[in-house]
Amino acid sequence: DAMVIQNPRYQVTQFGKPVTLSCSQTLNHNVMYWYQQKSSQAPKLLFHYYDKDFNNEADTPDNFQSRRPNTSFCFLDIRSPGLGDAAMYLCATSKDRGPSTFYEQYFGPGTRLTVT
Amino acid sequence: GENVEQHPSTLSVQEGDSAVIKCTYSDSASNYFPWYKQELGKGPQLIIDIRSNVGEKKDQRIAVTLNKTAKHFSLHITETQPEDSAVYFCAASSFYGGSQGNLIFGKGTKLSVKP
Repeated sequence: DAMVIQNPRYQVTQFGKPVTLSCSQTLNHNVMYWYQQKSSQAPKLLFHYYDKDFNNEADTPDNFQSRRPNTSFCFLDIRSPGLGDAAMYLCATSKDRGPSTFYEQYFGPGTRLTVT
Repeated sequence: GENVEQHPSTLSVQEGDSAVIKCTYSDSASNYFPWYKQELGKGPQLIIDIRSNVGEKKDQRIAVTLNKTAKHFSLHITETQPEDSAVYFCAASSFYGGSQGNLIFGKGTKLSVKP
C-alpha cells in the first residue's frame, strides 16, 4: 500500500552525466514536491508542481529540471551532475495547497544519489 | 525568508525518560509548525503539528508547545521507547503569501533511546 514511490532507491552517476529520478503516487494528490537533503542537513525544497503548474524555488540551480507528465508521476532531471549534487532526493505530495490551511505532505523513501 | 534553528543535533536518553527538542523560527508570518520523524531508509513522516492559534497539543506520548511571542516551539516525548529512535525534524510554514505551503525545515535531531 505504498503511497509515494521513488525509483531507484540508490543511483550512481558520473560527473556530468545526466540522470533522472522518478516519483509516483497513488494518492491522486494535486501537488508534488522535490526536496534535496544533503548529509546531516534539513530537506530543502527545489520545486513543486501544482497540477501542471511548475513552481521553481528562487535558489534552485538551473541544472535541476522537473517534468510531470500526468497526475501520478513526476521526474527530477539533473542535466550535468556535479559532486555537490550528491544527496538524498525526496519526493512528496499533498492533496492541495493553501490558502488559509495547510495540507499534510506525504514523503517517499527517497533516492540516494552518488556522483563519481 | 524564514529560518528555522533546531537543537540539540543529537540526543541520547534512557528508555522511559523524556526527550525534548527545541526549535526557533524567524518569520512572524509563519503559522503552521509540523514535526516529522525520519527513520533510517525512509522518508520523513508527520507525527504531530500545531497551528499558531494553539499553545499546546498532545497525542498520547507526544506533545508540542508553541510560544509565538518568543518564536519557538518544542517537541516533548514522554516514556521514550527504543522505537522512538530516529531523526526528528521541525518545520515552519505559512498559510499565506507567495510561499504558502512551503516547509522550511530545521537541521534535525538524532534521538537515540537506549534500552
